[in-house]
Amino acid sequence: QKEVEQNSGPLSVPEGAIASLNCTYSDRGSQSFFWYRQYSGKSPELIMSIYSNGDKEDGRFTAQLNKASQYVSLLIRDSQPSDSATYLCAVPISGGGADGLTFGKGTHLIIQP
Amino acid sequence: GAVVSQHPSRVICKSGTSVKIECRSLDFQATTMFWYRQFPKQSLMLMATSNEGSKATYEQGVEKDKFLINHASLTLSTLTVTSAHPEDSSFYICSASFSDTQYFGPGTRLTVL
Repeated sequence: QKEVEQNSGPLSVPEGAIASLNCTYSDRGSQSFFWYRQYSGKSPELIMSIYSNGDKEDGRFTAQLNKASQYVSLLIRDSQPSDSATYLCAVPISGGGADGLTFGKGTHLIIQP
Repeated sequence: GAVVSQHPSRVICKSGTSVKIECRSLDFQATTMFWYRQFPKQSLMLMATSNEGSKATYEQGVEKDKFLINHASLTLSTLTVTSAHPEDSSFYICSASFSDTQYFGPGTRLTVL
């Protein structure tokens, strides 16, 4: 059973600062990694996907993947109060892109105005 | 693109009744859809994989006779919670795979009295 670990937080970051969210995974064979954002009472929305070692940037978001260390992180630059949410790290259960996802428990991020 | 809808968004029912939840991919065809369940303050847990034209695949511990899944077309999957009980009260979320990424519906909050 694949496991995805995240610090549940809450992680409190001042507005305008960089928020750093971390995730580790158990299956060394995992190939795809996803970050979702979930607001309270809502369903998850995709923030980033990453497949290769290194960094991937999309606007204020940067995903970082290190397969050797089995961790993936998400950086949020210039944090805004609207970024306050739970961030979920996920990997496919069987490794394929068309597979169901195993989620971490999520990190609750609070951006302080 | 890649929009997934769910209906209803919220349902309250009496114990012992059955509830049907619909999941639709609005702007793409999905041969595979997924059903997740999320209890309060917990992360999403995959219940089953819905395959168009064939039987669903259920995760360990999920009763297939209680959670009936039908994927009759490339844009519609349904989840029927049969003989619902208070412990089935949860947030049910479907997703559909598009370009190796899962997109989630808005979820259905089920309350069983």
